[in-house]
Order: sequence, then structure tokens, then C-alpha cells
Amino acid sequence: GAVVSQHPSWVICKSGTSVKIECRSLDFQATTMFWYRQFPKQSLMLMATSNEGSKATYEQGVEKDKFLINHASLTLSTLTVTSAHPEDSSFYICSASGPSGNEQFFGPGTRLTVL
Amino acid sequence: DAKTTQPTSMDCAEGRAANLPCNHSTISGNEYVYWYRQIHSQGPQYIIHGLKNNETNEMASLIITEDRKSSTLILPHATLRDTAVYYCIVRESGGFKTIFGAGTRLFVKA
Repeated sequence: GAVVSQHPSWVICKSGTSVKIECRSLDFQATTMFWYRQFPKQSLMLMATSNEGSKATYEQGVEKDKFLINHASLTLSTLTVTSAHPEDSSFYICSASGPSGNEQFFGPGTRLTVL
Repeated sequence: DAKTTQPTSMDCAEGRAANLPCNHSTISGNEYVYWYRQIHSQGPQYIIHGLKNNETNEMASLIITEDRKSSTLILPHATLRDTAVYYCIVRESGGFKTIFGAGTRLFVKA
């Protein structure tokens, strides 16, 4: 199947700093990518839909000024957590629509810890 | 909100078939049934999907009832490495967002 990568796989940062997470589709082009957040022992929660060349669509309750999403190319979407605080500590996962259009492939996730 | 209902957890003996049920009584005609699984601290892994016919691949089989209101994922010979949370999802084709429910936590025991 198609491969989606994320970088970094984990990051620890100080409160108040910003952190950028990259999501790449390695062997296919993805016009649409999705960002999720997962707290311990909970399911994945969709944060936003990222479309190449246009503004992201955020789910209700997700602050667009805090979670900046950029989808500048067909293989790369980035999520920037601005002014991170301990409550932003979570597992962030991206996914991309596969070439057939029927599948979604997920990245391995990025674990963010804010001290 | 998720459109599916799954048992919270299930146990299965290693080497036996694991049958994971899912109810999706409000599924619409253009929605597919997808199954993913998530092993601890990893991203979800695609398993299988179907529209109305039964499907089989190297990982699993998907049985969809004739009225499409429920389905069953079958892992024919479960191994310890199949211990994971299994998510049943209904969704239009891949370009649409995926809403996850709570899933079923499958424990495969030796």
C-alpha cells in the first residue's frame, strides 16, 4: 500500500514554543490530507482537513490560529502547534487519500510532549 | 459522530478465528464499510473495505449483511500480533474525512 510518513516521530518542547509536524505521502500525490489528535486511551479525533493549495477546514472546537495547517504541495502537509502548552501534549496523526481514491493511509504518528 | 457501534472489547485464542462485529444501521447507499486497526502507539493500519459484496484479502475477510446494516471482520487465524484496537467506519470514498468511534479492543491470548 501507499506510504505516509511523519516527522518527527516524537518531540519534547517547552511551554510557549511552537512545534511543526510534517506529513508526507512518499509514493503518491495526495490532494487531501487529514490531521487527527489522540489522547491516551481515547480514539482518534479529527482536527482538520487539509487541501493542497487552499485553506484547511477545521472541525468544530479546533482553534485554527493555534493549529496552523499548510498544504503547499501534493506530497506535503504541515501542522504547526503554536504557543504549545502541556494540554497540547498528545499523539498527532495524519492521513492521506490514496491514489485509487477509495483508501486512506495513515502516518505513524508524532508524539508531542509539552513541558 | 461515529455512525457505527462496536463491542468495547473481545478476547480470542491464538490460532482461532477472530470475528469482530459492527452495526451501521444508518449507512447510506454510497457509503463504504472500512476497517482499520491501531496497534499501541502506532498510526491506524488499513485492513479492508467493501460496499455490499463480501471481500477477502491477505489480512482478513469482510462479511456485509444483505441489508448492509451490519458487518463482521474475520481474522482467520489470529496471532498475538493481531492484538490491537479495531475500528469499523462507514464513509464515502477515500477523499472524505474519517470519523473514528471507540473501536473494539481485541486481545489475542496464547
